[in-house]
Parts: sequence; structure tokens; C-alpha cells
Amino acid sequence: AQKVTQAQTEISVVEKEDVTLDCVYETRDTTYYLFWYKQPPSGELVFLIRRNSFDEQNEISGRYSWNFQKSTSSFNFTITASQVVDSAVYFCALSGLSGGSYIPTFGRGTSLIVHP
Amino acid sequence: DVKVTQSSRYLVKRTGEKVFLECVQDMDHENMFWYRQDPGLGLRLIYFSYDVKMKEKGDIPEGYSVSREKKERFSLILESASTNQTSMYLCATLTDGGGSYNEQFFGPGTRLTVL
Repeated sequence: AQKVTQAQTEISVVEKEDVTLDCVYETRDTTYYLFWYKQPPSGELVFLIRRNSFDEQNEISGRYSWNFQKSTSSFNFTITASQVVDSAVYFCALSGLSGGSYIPTFGRGTSLIVHP
Repeated sequence: DVKVTQSSRYLVKRTGEKVFLECVQDMDHENMFWYRQDPGLGLRLIYFSYDVKMKEKGDIPEGYSVSREKKERFSLILESASTNQTSMYLCATLTDGGGSYNEQFFGPGTRLTVL
């Protein structure tokens, strides 16, 4: 079975602070994909990034960066110099075949609050 | 751009009423999903559909049913609404390809309150 754990329920920071959102996963698959989604206050989850299990290169996109470490089964998300617009709920998800289908398994989400 | 629309952003119903939540997508995706989102519990899958008239139960199907008569439309039905079904309901599609590569597109959600 697949499992995704986001241990941080809520994180509160002040603007311009760096913040890391943790994601730890469990799977028996050797081939799988990891995802991050952002849910702003408007409610609609938006896809941010996808990573496959064979690519452990870190990825950077502007102020966002992702650190994938297979050895610790983690796929952490860092926001550098956070802004108020980053306030949202962030979900980590895993997709592989051991769940019986390609239905993604989501973590419970981390609510990020960025104060001005 | 993929568009997933849901019929209502906010809905208030009474206990025992039959409730229909509608979801429409415009990208011809085969797979569609209904989730509910509750504080501290994240997203929980209610039902999904991989083709017209095909449906599969998710993790929490009790008290719900679904209908998919056309590819673009996936409806969630609460046969007899109860207060514990007060929640945010999210519809989603999955890009086609049949693998674990595919990402999901979500609608804006319907916040349902059952009184």
C-alpha cells in the first residue's frame, strides 16, 4: 500500500522567511511519481511539480525548490523568501501501481500562513 | 487550459434531502474523481470513474453514489443528506496516458452545509 505523510499540519512564517514543507512517502513500487499541489484560499488545487522515482536531481523554479531523496523517502518543498501570496494548503501526492491502480495517494496537507 | 467546473461554490441543504453535485470538464479526460476535504483529514476519495457509465468506489463511498452518463460530466449524489456530510467536495480529472505520470486537474470545490 502507498502512504504519504505530511507531518506539519500548519506552518506560520513572516514574509521573506524561508520555509520547508516536509513530505515522506511509503511505497513498494520501484517506479512511481511524486507530486506537489497548491490549494490557495480560492479552493482549487493547482499542480506544481512532478518527479519520477529515477530522477533525484533537485529542481528549482524561481523561489520554489524541491529536494527528492530516495534514501529517506522524502520529497521536501522549500519556498525561499516567502510572500503573502504563498499562503495556501500544500499537498504532496504519490502515484504508483502498488495501490492497485494509478490513483494518486495524497498526504493530509500542510497549511502555510505567511504574515506580512 | 483544462477547465473543471462545479455547479455550485456554496450549497446549503437540509437533512434528508437528495443532493446533486455536478462536475463538468472540457478536456475529454477519461478519468474523473470526487473527493471530500475536511480539516485535518486531507483529501479522501469517494468515487472515481474511468469511462462513461463506469465507476469505482474510493475510500469512503458510504452514503454517496455517482453517475457518469457522458464523458464530460460526473455527478455526485447524496441520496439522503446527513449533517456528517457537511464538507468541501472537490471534483478532479486525470490527464490521459494510463500511467502514474499523470497529474490531476481540480475544480474550485463545492462547500456543502447540511443543516
